Amino acid sequence: KQEVTQIPAALSVPEGENLVLNCSFTDSAIYNLQWFRQDPGKGLTSLLLIQSSQREQTSGRLNASLDKSSGRSTLYIAASQPGDSATYLCAVSDSSYKLIFGSGTRLLVRP
Amino acid sequence: EAEVAQSPRYKITEKSQAVAFWCDPISGHATLYWYRQILGQGPELLVQFQDESVVDDSQLPKDRFSAERLKGVDSTLKIQPAELGDSAMYLCASSLGSQGNYGYTFGSGTRLTVV
Repeated sequence: KQEVTQIPAALSVPEGENLVLNCSFTDSAIYNLQWFRQDPGKGLTSLLLIQSSQREQTSGRLNASLDKSSGRSTLYIAASQPGDSATYLCAVSDSSYKLIFGSGTRLLVRP
Repeated sequence: EAEVAQSPRYKITEKSQAVAFWCDPISGHATLYWYRQILGQGPELLVQFQDESVVDDSQLPKDRFSAERLKGVDSTLKIQPAELGDSAMYLCASSLGSQGNYGYTFGSGTRLTVV
């Protein structure tokens, strides 16, 4: 059974800092991996989608990498801003094409 | 940008009452998902549709939950009777392909509180 783990569970950093969020999964047979952002009480906003054949994706200050063989992905946020404060969720698509989520990393960027 | 529509945004209901949530996926998206997210946890799949057919409902508590997507477009998730433990965010998502190759788009969710 696929399990997704996100570390750390919570992170507090000063504005301007570069940071890395980690995601690990137990079964490397994934079809893709997606990073989402969730603001309190809101739905999920897709940030980056990495297909299983890809190694990384970039969007603005965000960069996500994927190492299928080791079961790991990282989300790199450059020059963090208070507006980046949210919960970041990692999810992998399994053989039945449904998403399996981690519990998320709650990020607070302090002004 | 196309969105997944969900209603209502918030719902407060008493224990043992019936409650229903509605989802309208992005036009043309054949695959539709209902997820439940308990506070502080990641979403967990309740049911997956491909067009009007259920692909996976293994995690759906079928004694009280039901889901339908009659014409393969919008979908309704129902709970009867609601229990205190059903308090959660209910999220709907849709995907263009059946294999998620194009990613998944989520709606804003319905926050259910059972009192």
